[in-house]
Parts: sequence; C-alpha cells; structure tokens
Amino acid sequence: QKEVEQDPGPLSVPEGAIVSLNCTYSNSAFQYFMWYRQYSRKGPELLMYTYSSGNKEDGRFTAQVDKSSKYISLFIRDSQPSDSATYLCAMMVPSGTYKYIFGTGTRLKVLA
Amino acid sequence: NAGVTQTPKFQVLKTGQSMTLQCAQDMNHEYMSWYRQDPGMGLRLIHYSVGAGITDQGEVPNGYNVSRSTTEDFPLRLLSAAPSQTSVYFCASSYSRYNEQFFGPGTRLTVL
Repeated sequence: QKEVEQDPGPLSVPEGAIVSLNCTYSNSAFQYFMWYRQYSRKGPELLMYTYSSGNKEDGRFTAQVDKSSKYISLFIRDSQPSDSATYLCAMMVPSGTYKYIFGTGTRLKVLA
Repeated sequence: NAGVTQTPKFQVLKTGQSMTLQCAQDMNHEYMSWYRQDPGMGLRLIHYSVGAGITDQGEVPNGYNVSRSTTEDFPLRLLSAAPSQTSVYFCASSYSRYNEQFFGPGTRLTVL
C-alpha cells in the first residue's frame, strides 16, 4: 500500500465550477502538507502549504487537512481554463530522516 | 535570479553508459534534492543534501550517486544506465527543511 493515495483523474469540469481534489495517507507522522501545481512539461510549483490540521485560504484556493481521518483536500473556486494542470499533494515528517512523499497527481482540465 | 537550473533538458543513453545530470541554484539554499517522476508513481526522492558536503539517500537511491562540494551545485550521476532509469528527473532546492521547495524545469532521460 502506498503511503499517499491520490486519484489520478483525469477530472474535467466547466469553467466557473468548484473543484475538489483529495489525498489520503497512512503515516500519522506526517505533519506538513503541501499542494503543488504542475503544468505539462514543467516543474511543480508550490500552491499551498499547511501545518497540522485545519484550513488555509489563498485567493480561489483552500486547503483542508483532517489528521484524524488522514485526509487532505484542495478546493478551487471559480475554476479557470488556466487552472488546467496536474495537482500533486505532498507530505513531510517534521524531524529525523528527510521524508517528503508525493501523491501520483490528479490531472485537471477546465473547459471554457 | 535564475532559480533552479538543470542541464541537459533531454538525453538519450545506451544501457551501460554513464552520465551526470547537472543542477544549480542561486538562492543560497541549504537543502537540495533529486526526484524522478514516472507515470503512475508520482515524484520519488532519490537523494538529498542538507548542505555542502552532506548528502543522504531518499526513497529510490539505487543506481545513482551524488555529491555536494558547493552550496550552489548538486549533480546526479548515473554510473551504468539501465532502461529502468528512463524517467523525468527534477532537482529542487529550499532554504530549510520547512520552507518551500523550488523545482527546476526537469531533464527527460531515455535509456535504450
């Protein structure tokens, strides 16, 4: 079983829709949770970075972490065609061996 | 400020050949990492460095060597390439373990 599971999609939505992307994980040692966006043939870029449980909002993006359920989500409001990309969740343990685990990524297409 | 740069962008090798993938950053970051990205597997950590002269293994280190003689550079060496090493390789850097990782544009490697 992978430590981090992410539905690969693809996910197609109309412009303006609310998008929900999710990851589950099995290692309770993860404390830092990230969402990266990766455009085709480019390197990933950080979108959201949260520590422990709770919500974090940045513009049209909201990240949620539920440590009791080992579940994290990224919501995109008023989705735009420019949001079409692959979204990767990532998690890190706070100390000891540097353990930075990515999900496989969800491919999102926002249709104009 | 160039950020994280990687060379070459593309490379084709024959089985058994050796090569070095170059990575450099100009942000004075202590942490540098190498990842490989394969379909259905996500990004996986190969090796990382927490400063000049200090390196350690990640999740998939076999077949790869690294060294870090300066803060700026972190080359990845393939001593005897195998078809299983066909992948897209990304270098990343961050100020510390807990800061945002910045990724390079990637190197697409094919081993025949």
